[in-house]
Amino acid sequence: AQRVTQPEKLLSVFKGAPVELKCNYSYSGSPELFWYVQYSRQRLQLLLRHISRESIKGFTADLNKGETSFHLKKPFAQEEDSAMYYCALAVYGGSQGNLIFGKGTKLSVKP
Amino acid sequence: EADIYQTPRYLVIGTGKKITLECSQTMGHDKMYWYQQDPGMELHLIHYSYGVNSTEKGDLSSESTVSRIRTEHFPLTLESARPSHTSQYLCASSELWPGAEAFFGQGTRLTVV
Repeated sequence: AQRVTQPEKLLSVFKGAPVELKCNYSYSGSPELFWYVQYSRQRLQLLLRHISRESIKGFTADLNKGETSFHLKKPFAQEEDSAMYYCALAVYGGSQGNLIFGKGTKLSVKP
Repeated sequence: EADIYQTPRYLVIGTGKKITLECSQTMGHDKMYWYQQDPGMELHLIHYSYGVNSTEKGDLSSESTVSRIRTEHFPLTLESARPSHTSQYLCASSELWPGAEAFFGQGTRLTVV
């Protein structure tokens, strides 16, 4: 079955510390993975996708097919990174082709 | 400007009332979705549509219904609201393929008393 797992509900770090938000997936096909972010009082929006291999706001994420993981990393966290982060998997096939989301991790960056 | 709009932003309503949450997009997208966002912030897909006259149920069973008579409009209706329907409802749109970027509305926070 297709599944996205984010094991941490809350992650709290100090400003300047490295941060890693974990995401594991289960999918029989070729995975397409994404990170979405929701800042306080703002809309949920795309942060980055694995096929782009880009760094957005200092965040990177590498797809590791062997470990079925797509962890989000930033070497030096900033207070403005505090937000809710969702890992998402694009599922193809049948009539259910869709994005499925993990439960989300709330990142709190303390001054 | 291309955007996706949800109204109302907040709604407090009594048990048994019929309500419709509106969602409109001017992005030219064929695919639209409704997600229910739990108080714990988990997202559940409850309905989606590939285009006009297409509606499908999502992963989470919901007593709500949807319609897609126009490409840009995807309203969600609850015939008889109950306290268990209290939640945040997010509408989104995207191009058709599952890996397309989803654009979300501001959400409607529904409270049924």
